[in-house]
Amino acid sequence: EAGVTQFPSHSVIEKGQTVTLRCDPISGHDNLYWYRRVMGKEIKFLLHFVKESKQDESGMPNNRFLAERTGGTYSTLKVQPAELEDSGVYFCASSQVNSNYGYTFGSGTRLTVV
Amino acid sequence: AQSVTQLDSHVSVSEGTPVLLRCNYSSSYSPSLFWYVQHPNKGLQLLLKYTSAATLVKGINGFEAEFKKSETSFHLTKPSAHMSDAAEYFCVVRSNAGNMLTFGGGTRLMVKP
Repeated sequence: EAGVTQFPSHSVIEKGQTVTLRCDPISGHDNLYWYRRVMGKEIKFLLHFVKESKQDESGMPNNRFLAERTGGTYSTLKVQPAELEDSGVYFCASSQVNSNYGYTFGSGTRLTVV
Repeated sequence: AQSVTQLDSHVSVSEGTPVLLRCNYSSSYSPSLFWYVQHPNKGLQLLLKYTSAATLVKGINGFEAEFKKSETSFHLTKPSAHMSDAAEYFCVVRSNAGNMLTFGGGTRLMVKP
């Protein structure tokens, strides 16, 4: 089966611009998660979708970040306007209804804001 | 609340010698615990998971971890390191009260020839 796909793999944008990251989960996985790792810090939870609904968005840093999952398939994470501190690696993961089976992560999108 | 502490940010071993990566956790509920590995320019790959079954968990590539509730530890071991094991390893806890994963800070494993 195909894994979790994220694109772009890298993005370099200027401060104040907008960037949209995309995640395609494993087909049939209702749970979709976004995490990010800012340079030198731990990987932190951003939010969790169950199908198209936001189950938990407690980790979203501020209202410059907007996540969507229209139709319960792929998800996008938009940063507008981007700031320097948004630089880092953004990971997406998906899991089945019973997440004890584990979470499958994508390769991440490395975002650099200059 | 839950947290994970990886006690070493860097570990260096010689090829063929044992590997020990240490992890302590805290959780208000019975936790599920995972170890993930990230090779350079790759995604996070699941090595093994503990979900309240056997306390000694075997994973891929010869890795295993032992859940010790009394010590709140979940250390990762491998009897003999290979050069291909060089990567960053993450200990992760998930509270059974929710789906959110909490990551440790990561341990970068270096393997010398």
